[in-house]
Amino acid sequence: AQSVTQLDSQVPVFEEAPVELRCNYSSSVSVYLFWYVQYPNQGLQLLLKYLSGSTLVKGINGFEAEFNKSQTSFHLRKPSVHISDTAEYFCALYNQGGKLIFGQGTELSVKP
Amino acid sequence: DTGVSQDPRHKITKRGQNVTFRCDPISEHNRLYWYRQTLGQGPEFLTYFQNEAQLEKSRLLSDRFSAERPKGSFSTLEIQRTEQGDSAMYLCASSPRDRGWQETQYFGPGTRLLVL
Repeated sequence: AQSVTQLDSQVPVFEEAPVELRCNYSSSVSVYLFWYVQYPNQGLQLLLKYLSGSTLVKGINGFEAEFNKSQTSFHLRKPSVHISDTAEYFCALYNQGGKLIFGQGTELSVKP
Repeated sequence: DTGVSQDPRHKITKRGQNVTFRCDPISEHNRLYWYRQTLGQGPEFLTYFQNEAQLEKSRLLSDRFSAERPKGSFSTLEIQRTEQGDSAMYLCASSPRDRGWQETQYFGPGTRLLVL
């Protein structure tokens, strides 16, 4: 069975500090991986996705993620966070049957 | 491109009542998905359509739940005899389907349901 585990439920960080949100996956087949962000009372917005090719994927708002097949990981990083990055972040993989399987989410809290 | 829209945004109902939610996907997106998100959890897949055909239903979708997409455009999700455990955010997403790639799913703002 396929699954996604986000290793941290909450990540507090100061403004302008770097941040890494960790995501591990389990799958016996090729994976397609995504990071979504959810601001309060809103739907999910795509940050970035890995389908194939370069393992370093750049997304919107200065975020990037690295696909590591041997570690089965897809960690999200940003070198310098802003207050406006405060949100819930979800890692997901695309099931070849046609649905996204999400992790439990990581709440990023950026403090001044 | 106006994005995925959902109506209503919020719904409060009493246990035992029926509720219906509507989702309008991005124009010409032929795949439409429904997910449920409870507090502190990631979204969980409920069902999806390709055009008007419902291709998969999760075991989460009990017989009190029914979804339709009659003309391959908008979709409705109905919950009959609501229970307090149905309280959640119901998210709709749509995607194009092109050359077999795993296309991005674009999400609507969700409908937040509270069952009293």
